[in-house]
Amino acid sequence: NAGVTQTPKFQVLKTGQSMTLQCAQDMNHEYMSWYRQDPGMGLRLIHYSVGAGITDQGEVPNGYNVSRSTTEDFPLRLLSAAPSQTSVYFCASSGDRGGEQYFGPGTRLTVT
Amino acid sequence: LAKTTQPISMDSYEGQEVNITCSHNNIATNDYITWYQQFPSQGPRFIIQGYKTKVTNEVASLFIPADRKSSTLSLPRVSLSDTAVYYCLVGSTGTASKLTFGTGTRLQVTL
Repeated sequence: NAGVTQTPKFQVLKTGQSMTLQCAQDMNHEYMSWYRQDPGMGLRLIHYSVGAGITDQGEVPNGYNVSRSTTEDFPLRLLSAAPSQTSVYFCASSGDRGGEQYFGPGTRLTVT
Repeated sequence: LAKTTQPISMDSYEGQEVNITCSHNNIATNDYITWYQQFPSQGPRFIIQGYKTKVTNEVASLFIPADRKSSTLSLPRVSLSDTAVYYCLVGSTGTASKLTFGTGTRLQVTL
């Protein structure tokens, strides 16, 4: 199993550009989440999903959209990038509601 | 969701036992306690999870007193490779997908 994969690893955007961060898992997990981590800080939840077709907002959802059309994929869309969105983005999946979360390697995003 | 409080940082020498305590005064009846480890430039990695008393696995032990208002992660005989940030999370099976991480405890292990 590849586990949780994220692409791209690095990305530089100009203010106002849009892009999609990709996340995929091959463990047939129902639960998936997106986090952002700013330098020296903990992870903050952006959006999460409890199954295909079901998504909900986390702690810091503004400026981001998600969709979950399949169990495997959970893309995160930045609608109009801002310098405040410069961060490292982690995707995670979990096989059950109370269980261990598996994290991807992260995407380092810089918005200039 | 229960709020957690951890020390910001801890220092240890290689070979010592390290205990990191997490306070969660408003833990709910259905909440579990979960600890993650994060190395620089990597995603967090699950260490251990428990509900009450003591849980042990190959890398750590988790001690939870009867009132469950705190928990202690115990790392036996740490090595340099245990230098990382450790996060304590509290949540139930209904909230696992929307748990948030605090700033964690930065453990520095030296020779």
